[in-house]
Amino acid sequence: EPEVTQTPSHQVTQMGQEVILRCVPISNHLYFYWYRQILGQKVEFLVSFYNNEISEKSEIFDDQFSVERPDGSNFTLKIRSTKLEDSAMYFCASSDWGGTEAFFGQGTRLTVV
Amino acid sequence: QQPVQSPQAVILREGEDAVINCSSSKALYSVHWYRQKHGEAPVFLMILLKGGEQKGHEKISASFNEKKQQSSLYLTASQLSYSGTYFCGPGGGGADGLTFGKGTHLIIQP
Repeated sequence: EPEVTQTPSHQVTQMGQEVILRCVPISNHLYFYWYRQILGQKVEFLVSFYNNEISEKSEIFDDQFSVERPDGSNFTLKIRSTKLEDSAMYFCASSDWGGTEAFFGQGTRLTVV
Repeated sequence: QQPVQSPQAVILREGEDAVINCSSSKALYSVHWYRQKHGEAPVFLMILLKGGEQKGHEKISASFNEKKQQSSLYLTASQLSYSGTYFCGPGGGGADGLTFGKGTHLIIQP
């Protein structure tokens, strides 16, 4: 069964460092998403991406965040200068078009120390 | 703008029924329901596309009233495996993304 894969599963980084979280969406999907979930809290939408550009972003997705689809398979989330409050589980998701089921990856747990 | 879910938490005994509600101040053209078990990724349950539409998945069904901008998720004869947090979202890519509500925590006890 096709699945969304995320790497790494857990990343520890020092405050102020840049991190790149990687995702491989399902191959024929067109919409890609990043979410984050702070421990014990709800899943928060960060950004959606379609046709090689951001289609929507939330207030959380400020200038410290960027997304890229560097090739035909990867979808990355970059945090330029991490803060302690960026510590969370980051989920990538993809869907074949915007209105259908989104498949989530298993997440990357980011710990900023 | 995120949907509003109620109740925030439900504790049931196995075999009991539950209803989880989702409402939006923004026009809903579709509603997605997801379940997230502790420590896992959200998993899609169902999507409802039309006003008044009902769909089912195992013993979990849902209704969607497009005019009232509300959806309800019905869990009948709940099983231990139903435990988790249930999220609703308006769905969509494009301009809407998937903005979940805060979730309803469902705990099923034996």
